[in-house]
Amino acid sequence: DTGVSQNPRHKITKRGQNVTFRCDPISEHNRLYWYRQTLGQGPEFLTYFQNEAQLEKSRLLSDRFSAERPKGSFSTLEIQRTEQGDSAMYLCASSLVPPPLADFTDTQYFGPGTRLTVL
Amino acid sequence: AQSVTQLDSHVSVSEGTPVLLRCNYSSSYSPSLFWYVQHPNKGLQLLLKYTSAATLVKGINGFEAEFKKSETSFHLTKPSAHMSDAAEYFCVVSAGYGNKLVFGAGTILRVKS
Repeated sequence: DTGVSQNPRHKITKRGQNVTFRCDPISEHNRLYWYRQTLGQGPEFLTYFQNEAQLEKSRLLSDRFSAERPKGSFSTLEIQRTEQGDSAMYLCASSLVPPPLADFTDTQYFGPGTRLTVL
Repeated sequence: AQSVTQLDSHVSVSEGTPVLLRCNYSSSYSPSLFWYVQHPNKGLQLLLKYTSAATLVKGINGFEAEFKKSETSFHLTKPSAHMSDAAEYFCVVSAGYGNKLVFGAGTILRVKS
């Protein structure tokens, strides 16, 4: 399967613990996005990378959240000192934007998500 | 700021009858618009995409959507519903540089046999 993969698929943790999620994009996709989806709502943008550079972070991304994409391939999203309000589905998407058309409307392909439950 | 409003949280149709899922958008410039579908326990799948070319966009599985600038609408239609179409559908607008997606709240489509 050559789609976007995310691990783990489910994570249950206790409040105050740190968690880390991983996203493996489609090979050679240079953009990678993170979104969060709470029950009954549409996904909300968190952050995105162009290759290894993190270009934008949403105000939803508090200082307890950090994302990396060290070699421009896979990405990790870490949440420190989890709170019950962090319980959600965390979605990753990737796309290919051909340079130099940085403003090209890319098609984002989504992974299955990681469902986080904070007790 | 870009936003979308999905006018119905739930739509119920009988198998074989037409489907209409309504979406209105707000954008300060010419928007790119999408419809995504989410089946239970599966990832979001792109149905179709509008990027200022033809106003009638055809997607997968027989779905299509029409961009109407005068009405700021991008409604999704299908002539004949199938049981496998039961899912949640999201209308989405691209929010500027970086193509961050702004999702509507979703419409749950139920198909009755």
